[in-house]
Amino acid sequence: TQLLEQSPQFLSIQEGENLTVYCNSSSVFSSLQWYRQEPGEGPVLLVTVVTGGEVKKLKRLTFQFGDARKDSSLHITAAQPGDTGLYLCAGASWTDKLIFGTGTRLQVFP
Amino acid sequence: GAVVSQHPSRVICKSGTSVKIECRSLDFQATTMFWYRQFPKQSLMLMATSNEGSKATYEQGVEKDKFLINHASLTLSTLTVTSAHPEDSSFYICSTQGGRDQPQHFGDGTRLSIL
Repeated sequence: TQLLEQSPQFLSIQEGENLTVYCNSSSVFSSLQWYRQEPGEGPVLLVTVVTGGEVKKLKRLTFQFGDARKDSSLHITAAQPGDTGLYLCAGASWTDKLIFGTGTRLQVFP
Repeated sequence: GAVVSQHPSRVICKSGTSVKIECRSLDFQATTMFWYRQFPKQSLMLMATSNEGSKATYEQGVEKDKFLINHASLTLSTLTVTSAHPEDSSFYICSTQGGRDQPQHFGDGTRLSIL
């Protein structure tokens, strides 16, 4: 069974702080996606990384895919209250199914 | 990108009731759709893969007679929770397949509460 473990599970920080969320697995994925989900809504895609070692930046968010395509990280610089939400990584297997990570709940206080 | 509409957004009903949730792909012909369940403060768990014109593929531990899936057209998949009980209360989310290494497009979810 493919599992994606995210850490930390919960993160509560002040506005302006930096943070990193990790997504780890023992399985190799063809690609990895990061989503953010707000309460009562479906997940919204932030980024897809495909190549091992790939780094993508989206404003204050930096995503990295591990060289072996088994892990990924999300770094947020100068967090803002609007970044609050549930962050989910999801690995795509060769069957087109998505395996979701365990989730990281982020709370940014003003 | 593709837009997915899920209906209803919230259902509250008595134990023993059957509840149908619709998932529509508004601008994309979806031969495959996915149904997920999300318990409070947890991640999404894939329940089944819905295939247009054929039987759904269920994940291990998901009762196919409990969660009936029908995908009769390229734009509509339905999930029916039969004889729902309080333990079936959850957030149910559908998505359309985006293709290899392409993102899935998610509906806004259905909050099901069984009293």
